[in-house]
Amino acid sequence: DSGVTQTPKHLITATGQRVTLRCSPRSGDLSVYWYQQSLDQGLQFLIQYYNGEERAKGNILERFSAQQFPDLHSELNLSSLELGDSALYFCASSPRTGITYEQYFGPGTRLTVT
Amino acid sequence: AQSVAQPEDQVNVAEGNPLTVKCTYSVSGNPYLFWYVQYPNRGLQFLLKYITGDNLVKGSYGFEAEFNKSQTSFHLKKPSALVSDSALYFCAVRDKSGNTPLVFGKGTRLSVIA
Repeated sequence: DSGVTQTPKHLITATGQRVTLRCSPRSGDLSVYWYQQSLDQGLQFLIQYYNGEERAKGNILERFSAQQFPDLHSELNLSSLELGDSALYFCASSPRTGITYEQYFGPGTRLTVT
Repeated sequence: AQSVAQPEDQVNVAEGNPLTVKCTYSVSGNPYLFWYVQYPNRGLQFLLKYITGDNLVKGSYGFEAEFNKSQTSFHLKKPSALVSDSALYFCAVRDKSGNTPLVFGKGTRLSVIA
């Protein structure tokens, strides 16, 4: 168990809908990362937050947004969902934002868009 | 731009035999390199990392990896494979010089046969 929790575990929704994925980092970790894992694209970095501030942005669509709250939990909001958004979404955390730190991954949220 | 290549989608090895999972990387500066493992229906788990120093890095579960700067490689190895090592393995790289995100390879599925 990495200490990173994600809810929900599974989510099934229809095209055009909006969903929110939640992540709680390991105790004491300030940095949160979001990734999307799909069969064709592999593991893609979406966005990073550090202590409430956006730190880095990857291949995140404009329909997606995220935030990190004062208690350091993070939410990833996905809107106007399309079939292609079906994937595993992982959250990871690390103690700081330094690039030598390894990341600890949560169990993921499996999103199915029908 | 940094990138990682894992040339083998699948590696099969008999239990008790040595295993190697290959990884080559491309960065503009010096690399920080990581290996992660993903078991079915789980998030990624950190195995080991190369930051600086000794080219041979030892990690969790008896795994090790050798950094080879001239060949831009960071192959994962284990002297004696276990059936429980069967999983998906990811190599990842960050460039030391910039605030760039962690870039993952496509993954290599390791199957250890009893």
